[in-house]
Amino acid sequence: AQKITQTQPGMFVQEKEAVTLDCTYDTSDPSYGLFWYKQPSSGEMIFLIYQGSYDQQNATEGRYSLNFQKARKSANLVISASQLGDSAMYFCAITGANNLFFGTGTRLTVIP
Amino acid sequence: DVKVTQSSRYLVKRTGEKVFLECVQDMDHENMFWYRQDPGLGLRLIYFSYDVKMKEKGDIPEGYSVSREKKERFSLILESASTNQTSMYLCASSIGRDEKLFFGSGTQLSVL
Repeated sequence: AQKITQTQPGMFVQEKEAVTLDCTYDTSDPSYGLFWYKQPSSGEMIFLIYQGSYDQQNATEGRYSLNFQKARKSANLVISASQLGDSAMYFCAITGANNLFFGTGTRLTVIP
Repeated sequence: DVKVTQSSRYLVKRTGEKVFLECVQDMDHENMFWYRQDPGLGLRLIYFSYDVKMKEKGDIPEGYSVSREKKERFSLILESASTNQTSMYLCASSIGRDEKLFFGSGTQLSVL
């Protein structure tokens, strides 16, 4: 069975600084995908970044990058140059059994 | 742009009522999903569907049923609402299996 663990219930970061949100996973599938979603206070889940298990390079999307360490089964999200609008819940998810399995999330607060 | 629409943003119902949560997507996606989100528990899959009139149970289907009579519409039904079904309900769709999910803005259901 697939499992996602996000050990940081809450994180604080100073505006313009970088922050890393941790995500570890467990799966027996040889091929899988990892996603990060952002959920602002409005409630909508916004897709941020995707990493395939066979991708050779770490995924990047603008200020977001995914630090993928396959042997350690970790897929940490790095947000560079934090902005006030980055304050939100962040969820890591893994594919499996034809759907996505989500972690419990990390609440990020950006301090001015 | 991709659009997943949930019929209600907030809903208040009484214990024992039959509740319908509606979700419509305009992207001709094959797959649709219903999740519930509770603090500290992340997103948990209730039901999903890969085609019209097809449905599969997720992790927590008890107390729920679904209907997919048309490709674009996926309904979640609470046959007899209970207070422990008070939660945020999120609908999502995807173009294929293990693909990125597009989410609606959620329905916050309160059962009194």
